[in-house]
Amino acid sequence: EKVMTQSPATLSVSPGDRATLSCRASQSVYSNLAWYQQKPGQAPRLLIYSASTRATGVPARFSGSGSGAEFNLTISSLQSEDFAVYYCLQYKNWAELTFGGGTKVEIK
Amino acid sequence: DVQLMQSGAEVKKPGESLRISCKTSGYTFNSYWIGWVRQMPGKGLEWVGIVYPDDSDTRYSPSFQGQVTISADKSISTAYLEWSSLKASDSAMYFCVRRDSGWFLDFWGHGTLITVSS
Repeated sequence: EKVMTQSPATLSVSPGDRATLSCRASQSVYSNLAWYQQKPGQAPRLLIYSASTRATGVPARFSGSGSGAEFNLTISSLQSEDFAVYYCLQYKNWAELTFGGGTKVEIK
Repeated sequence: DVQLMQSGAEVKKPGESLRISCKTSGYTFNSYWIGWVRQMPGKGLEWVGIVYPDDSDTRYSPSFQGQVTISADKSISTAYLEWSSLKASDSAMYFCVRRDSGWFLDFWGHGTLITVSS
């Protein structure tokens, strides 16, 4: 089973600052990596797929990078609506998907 | 627009059975895998399993194999997640989710909250 480890667990950031979230896989998932944003009381929302492709309607301040086993999600200038929990998901093994534990981005 | 509409919250007792549903619209139901994700209170996302409606091919996460049953009814574009005997530890929010042809999960239902308590 592929284990996905996200860090940090909590990231305290001021509005307008840059935030970088990390996701590490226990073995290579190539570029089969997606990022999701979840706000309280809501379903997760797809942000990034194939490690670096923004989903439809996702603002350009969100960018994904990496391949193999190391990935980053960067939010270039945090807006108030970006404070949320972010999850990575590997889908290399399409029948056994694995989520990371999440990173909470909170207001500093 | 793609929509996944889930059934309402449930309160059940341990040992009871339950089936929750996810009615889809806005796309060809038979052509996309549809899956389920669990989120326990205050916790992260866990993959439950997935079904291909066209032939009912079903795959489960090892953690959920034998604990739940996933199915789909092509005639009404609806997927199901079922328990034969609920436990308190099944209390959680359950999301249905569509798997894109590129294998990632793209569209999500709003979630169904299951509470199991004596």
